[in-house]
Amino acid sequence: NAGVMQNPRHLVRRRGQEARLRCSPMKGHSHVYWYRQLPEEGLKFMVYLQKENIIDESGMPKERFSAEFPKEGPSILRIQQVVRGDSAAYFCASSPRADSYTGELFFGEGSRLTVL
Amino acid sequence: GQQVMQIPQYQHVQEGEDFTTYCNSSTTLSNIQWYKQRPGGHPVFLIQLVKSGEVKKQKRLTFQFGEAKKNSSLHITATQTTDVGTYFCAGNYGGATNKLIFGTGTLLAVQP
Repeated sequence: NAGVMQNPRHLVRRRGQEARLRCSPMKGHSHVYWYRQLPEEGLKFMVYLQKENIIDESGMPKERFSAEFPKEGPSILRIQQVVRGDSAAYFCASSPRADSYTGELFFGEGSRLTVL
Repeated sequence: GQQVMQIPQYQHVQEGEDFTTYCNSSTTLSNIQWYKQRPGGHPVFLIQLVKSGEVKKQKRLTFQFGEAKKNSSLHITATQTTDVGTYFCAGNYGGATNKLIFGTGTLLAVQP
């Protein structure tokens, strides 16, 4: 029973390049959350998606960041033209249907992005 | 906006001493959850508190939810080196999205 799978675990990019982070939720989960954790800091909510829908993107920077969760395949967090300040750990979490669910989130092991 | 603060930011204890971290929300919570993150690891769920004044125990860990549902605490009795990590509270404010707003975290260091 695989948990939340994230890849790559580590990613190094030069300034100006693009970073793509992927997340496959737990089996049976249809909702995905992305959080960003800067070094020595807490987790900041970025975006909440269900299949083919962005439900809440209130934490997403207005530029360069986008997220999707297609009908088939993993959720993808995309960062265009990366800058040094984007260096962080990006965690994906999943949950079952959110309509009446207020329980725990299941986190992946994270993707650690380093921008040179 | 919704904000969750935690204190202290860092705590260093001798093994066997007790430890407490406090969490405070700017507005009333629907529920509160606690997570532990080991160094280099990912957040792992510990517990959820839903009711006003609720107290839950897990072995040496005691979790409390305030009467006004705006604050919470985690107390560890007789810390062990395996307790090392960052403890986060995470507030759920209800609504459609079920997103959690994480506190700033308390890093616990335990000296053997």
